[in-house]
Amino acid sequence: DQQVKQNSPSLSVQEGRISILNCDYTNSMFDYFLWYKKYPAEGPTFLISISSIKDKNEDGRFTVFLNKSAKHLSLHIVPSQPGDSAVYFCAVTGGGNKLTFGTGTQLKVEL
Amino acid sequence: DAMVIQNPRYQVTQFGKPVTLSCSQTLNHNVMYWYQQKSSQAPKLLFHYYDKDFNNEADTPDNFQSRRPNTSFCFLDIRSPGLGDAAMYLCATSREVAISTDTQYFGPGTRLTVL
Repeated sequence: DQQVKQNSPSLSVQEGRISILNCDYTNSMFDYFLWYKKYPAEGPTFLISISSIKDKNEDGRFTVFLNKSAKHLSLHIVPSQPGDSAVYFCAVTGGGNKLTFGTGTQLKVEL
Repeated sequence: DAMVIQNPRYQVTQFGKPVTLSCSQTLNHNVMYWYQQKSSQAPKLLFHYYDKDFNNEADTPDNFQSRRPNTSFCFLDIRSPGLGDAAMYLCATSREVAISTDTQYFGPGTRLTVL
């Protein structure tokens, strides 16, 4: 029973355009939401996060949006660059630092 | 420069033959985690250590054990690997386990194959 869902296994975007990655969760008790990025042969690395008391957090080209009523999280990357090609994992916590991950979305940014 | 190191990167074992995966860290973090990621699935937390305190997830099979002899090292022991245990095993560390905002740092993983 997946608590965190990333329904798009893959996404292809042209360089310079916006990439939008989506994530849905089931438990309204989750209070902290994160995105991790993973390149081949490397471990996931932390990208950006948002607390449940906010609806937007921005860090350079990366913005995370949280819609608590819809239990939906999204990551916007603009402009997308070829180096952004990676697998992106959504993760959540419900108090404490134990992460529950989604299945990941493979982003490919094409020239 | 590496912060979380996992050895070996690839491990092949036989059905039922015990296997040990290794993780070490140079961050001096209190918490070390083990995750299992099967093909096309989400990484799933197996257990974590806060210092020497071991915390097992409720649905982690008894076949999986862990040891943390010191702050830097943590081992994952699979006592009798089955075909279903073939997966990527990820080790991660963080300073604290009770603080949501504390970043977890991951190693590159060990890919386990069971023949």
